[in-house]
Parts: sequence; C-alpha cells; structure tokens
Amino acid sequence: GAVVSQHPSRVICKSGTSVKIECRSLDFQATTMFWYRQFPKQSLMLMATSNEGSKATYEQGVEKDKFLINHASLTLSTLTVTSAHPEDSSFYICSARGHRGASYNEQFFGPGTRLTVL
Amino acid sequence: LAKTTQPISMDSYEGQEVNITCSHNNIATNDYITWYQQFPSQGPRFIIQGYKTKVTNEVASLFIPADRKSSTLSLPRVSLSDTAVYYCLVGARNTGGFKTIFGAGTRLFVKA
Repeated sequence: GAVVSQHPSRVICKSGTSVKIECRSLDFQATTMFWYRQFPKQSLMLMATSNEGSKATYEQGVEKDKFLINHASLTLSTLTVTSAHPEDSSFYICSARGHRGASYNEQFFGPGTRLTVL
Repeated sequence: LAKTTQPISMDSYEGQEVNITCSHNNIATNDYITWYQQFPSQGPRFIIQGYKTKVTNEVASLFIPADRKSSTLSLPRVSLSDTAVYYCLVGARNTGGFKTIFGAGTRLFVKA
C-alpha cells in the first residue's frame, strides 16, 4: 500500500511550548488529509479534515487556534499544537486520501506521533 | 454517518478462526464497509473492504448479508501477532471529502 510518514515519531516538550508534527504522503498525492488524536485504551478521535490549499475543517470541540493545520501541498500537512499543556499529551495520527490510479480514493494512515508535554 | 457497534473484546487461541461481527443498522446505499487493524502505538492498517456478499484477500474474509446491516470479519488461523484492536467503519467509497470516523473497536487477545 501507499506510504504515509510522520515526523517526529515522538516528542517531549515543556508546557507552554509549541510542537509541529509533519505528515507526508510519500508515493501519492493526497487531496485530503485527516488528523486524529488517540488517548490510551481509546479509539481514534477525528480532529480535523484538510484539503490541499484550503482551510481545515475542525470537528466540534477541537480548538482551531490551538491545533493549527496547514495543508500547503498535495504531499504535506502539518499539525502545530500551540502552547501545549500536559492534557495535550496523546498519540496523534494523520491519514491521507488520494488517487493512485485506482477506481476509488484510498486512505492510508501514518505511524503516529507520541506527544508528551511535561 | 452510519454508526457501528462491535464487541468490546474477544479472546481466542492460536490456530483458531476468529469472527468479529459489526452492526451497522443505518448503513446507506452507497456506503462500503472497511476494517482496520491497529497495534499499540501504531497507525491503523487497512485489512479489507466490501460492499456486499463476500470478499476475501490474503489475510481475511468479509461476509456481508443481503440486508447489509451487519458484517463479519473472519480471520483464519490466528496467531499471537494478530492480537490487536480491530475497527469496523462504514462510509462512502468515492466521495473525496467524507470523514472516516472510528468506533470503539474490538480488542482481540490471542493466547498461546
């Protein structure tokens, strides 16, 4: 299947700092990218959906000013957690959907980024 | 978006066949059923997708009855490495903007 990468794989930061997580589709163009958050023993929670070149659509309850999403190209989306606090510590997963010549849009997930805020 | 209901957890032994059933009573006409597998601290991995009847690939089979209100993921001869969380999702296949919403999933424990 297609490859979606995330960087960094894990990050530890101090409270109040901002952290940027990158999501890249390595072998296809991602028209849509999704960002999820997952707490221990829980399911993935969709945070926002972004289409290349347009503003992200955030799910209810997700602060758009705190979780900044940029989808500047068809292969890169970034999630910036601004002024991170310990409660933002979580596993952040991106996914990308694109067309690789198949008859339908496929969705592929990144390996996730473990964020720990001290 | 059609809501899905799955068992919270299941136990099995190595070599057994495991069947995980998902209920999706409000599935729409153009919705497909997709199953993902997730290991701890990893992103979900696509297992199989289907619309009706039966779909089989190298790792699993998916059985969908005629009314499509449920589906069953069948894992033949599971091994310890199949211990993971399995998610059933329902959504349109070709709509580029549709959201993929995860339910609670089923935690499968495979014992030796």
